[in-house]
Amino acid sequence: GESVGLHLPTLSVQEGDNSIINCAYSNSASDYFIWYKQESGKGPQFIIDIRSNMDKRQGQRVTVLLNKTVKHLSLQIAATQPGDSAVYFCAENIGRYGGATNKLIFGTGTLLAVQP
Amino acid sequence: EAQVTQNPRYLITVTGKKLTVTCSQNMNHEYMSWYRQDPGLGLRQIYYSMNVEVTDKGDVPEGYKVSRKEKRNFPLILESPSPNQTSLYFCASRPYLDKPYEQYFGPGTRLTVT
Repeated sequence: GESVGLHLPTLSVQEGDNSIINCAYSNSASDYFIWYKQESGKGPQFIIDIRSNMDKRQGQRVTVLLNKTVKHLSLQIAATQPGDSAVYFCAENIGRYGGATNKLIFGTGTLLAVQP
Repeated sequence: EAQVTQNPRYLITVTGKKLTVTCSQNMNHEYMSWYRQDPGLGLRQIYYSMNVEVTDKGDVPEGYKVSRKEKRNFPLILESPSPNQTSLYFCASRPYLDKPYEQYFGPGTRLTVT
């Protein structure tokens, strides 16, 4: 696998448990946030997003929570499965939504290891 | 199938030997970009392009060149590679305005410069 998983904080969970992955972002003006999943040997894959005017958004087995007061983002994965094992990282958007110069700033990621 | 492709997937080269990593997308996206990913640093943008013949520097452009002669292709050029360019490289594309944050990433190119 790729070495991107090295030097990362690791969250180890049992199959079937819920996982919570946290992310601190830096820019209070960021208006949009995304969670990505990166499996070994693959490129990042979009999971779920949230606008800054929301504090919670749910997808299929995943929920993202946004706390703008402390600039914190979390990704909750329900009933974690072995296929969820990957590096997860958040990204914040800087720049006007839809604008030509908007830019994503990526976090360094957390390695989720699901134990069978 | 909608996808971003990169070639080669793995490359080992020597310092100073020019190389090109190709990137192609079949989604008619206007916006394309290149990132490098290094342990502990996350994804950092090298160059981006908002459309054909329109390119601009990202956060870490030194030592790289790009071109955008066609909408679907966005090659990354290392004129004189150095060991500090050893990294994992990703090409990405997205629509310009519609759903601008749904970036699609390629599978990555692992480059080693000795």
